[in-house]
Amino acid sequence: SQQGEEDPQALSIQEGENATMNCSYKTSINNLQWYRQNSGRGLVHLILIRSNEREKHSGRLRVTLDTSKKSSSLLITASRAADTASYFCATALLRRSGGSNYKLTFGKGTLLTVNP
Amino acid sequence: EAQVTQNPRYLITVTGKKLTVTCSQNMNHEYMSWYRQDPGLGLRQIYYSMNVEVTDKGDVPEGYKVSRKEKRNFPLILESPSPNQTSLYFCASTTYYRGNNEQFFGPGTRLTVL
Repeated sequence: SQQGEEDPQALSIQEGENATMNCSYKTSINNLQWYRQNSGRGLVHLILIRSNEREKHSGRLRVTLDTSKKSSSLLITASRAADTASYFCATALLRRSGGSNYKLTFGKGTLLTVNP
Repeated sequence: EAQVTQNPRYLITVTGKKLTVTCSQNMNHEYMSWYRQDPGLGLRQIYYSMNVEVTDKGDVPEGYKVSRKEKRNFPLILESPSPNQTSLYFCASTTYYRGNNEQFFGPGTRLTVL
């Protein structure tokens, strides 16, 4: 079963508005990451938030993590047409304790469309 | 420029004809991985490699092989491709130094098996 599930599946907004995407997961994690994918291209890492962090900022991006609810949100402020893309959350979990072998499990993504 | 490269970018082939998709990274990363992306299913991991000569199965390894003879290269081999392997494939790499494991992705290989 999918570890990370993004919500909504699709989001359409006007340029200048804020976009919020949510991610829920099922098990304890080491960290949670957000990626962006332009149509048919490779994923690009946006931001990583560790399990002991609650909020992180990077430019126009704000990520929150609530480990008690097993959920995260990605906020893009003052959106631009160039932000149109699919956004994926990915949860990182140690496969075996005492090592560095992490399993990164991706959700199915939120398709964000920013209309000019 | 730090990057992950994949070749070919597009491939149309026929059932049963062995093929190899190459992946190379120039960041000296220990960890490399292959994913496939299908509509409605997201990204699923096929195989991964923690370092040279160390490979392991991901979630959907059936029908695929990999090798890691050099740190920079991690080819994906389809010995006898079938139509259900038609997909968009991504190679990714990362390092676990400093405890970060954000992955760097290649541009993708779109494979069609007829």
